[in-house]
Amino acid sequence: NAGVTQTPKFRVLKTGQSMTLLCAQDMNHEYMYWYRQDPGMGLRLIHYSVGEGTTAKGEVPDGYNVSRLKKQNFLLGLESAAPSQTSVYFCASSYSSGDGNQPQHFGDGTRLSIL
Amino acid sequence: KQEVTQIPAALSVPEGENLVLNCSFTDSAIYNLQWFRQDPGKGLTSLLLIQSSQREQTSGRLNASLDKSSGRSTLYIAASQPGDSATYLCAIQTGANNLFFGTGTRLTVIP
Repeated sequence: NAGVTQTPKFRVLKTGQSMTLLCAQDMNHEYMYWYRQDPGMGLRLIHYSVGEGTTAKGEVPDGYNVSRLKKQNFLLGLESAAPSQTSVYFCASSYSSGDGNQPQHFGDGTRLSIL
Repeated sequence: KQEVTQIPAALSVPEGENLVLNCSFTDSAIYNLQWFRQDPGKGLTSLLLIQSSQREQTSGRLNASLDKSSGRSTLYIAASQPGDSATYLCAIQTGANNLFFGTGTRLTVIP
């Protein structure tokens, strides 16, 4: 059982380039999330999705777009990469629940450097 | 906005010692509090989830407590082992999709 798989694991981009990070989960989870982790700061939510075809903004959505065309996949796009987007990106997924008490399952992260 | 603080930022202990990690938060209106473990270069692994109505949760050598009134949680690790070395993150869930993380405590257990 793979859990949450992120592709690629590492990437170096030049300022202004675009790219898409892929997250895939095989646990039939409704909810999926994209976070970024920066030194000295906690993980911050970029965007999330509560189901296929739905997306919503998190705490730090600017400069990113997302899509959830299939339940198992959640894509994070950078249209024009900036050095401030150098970070480690984590995808997570969870079951849905009315009280929000479902743990999130995380992928191993994508380390992205913008030069 | 919920602020989550973890002190200390780093901790080293000899193997076999019992230890406590601390987490504090500013807003007591929470869904739950979660403790995660993060190994270098890896993602987060969920350790314990304490619902708002609960006071503590236990899993093996781990025990987490929650005191909403004081905005504090502790993670107690009994009989520490070198394999426990990792960064431990505390996170507060304030809504169905709002999870606020602390910056973590980096634990080193010395053989």
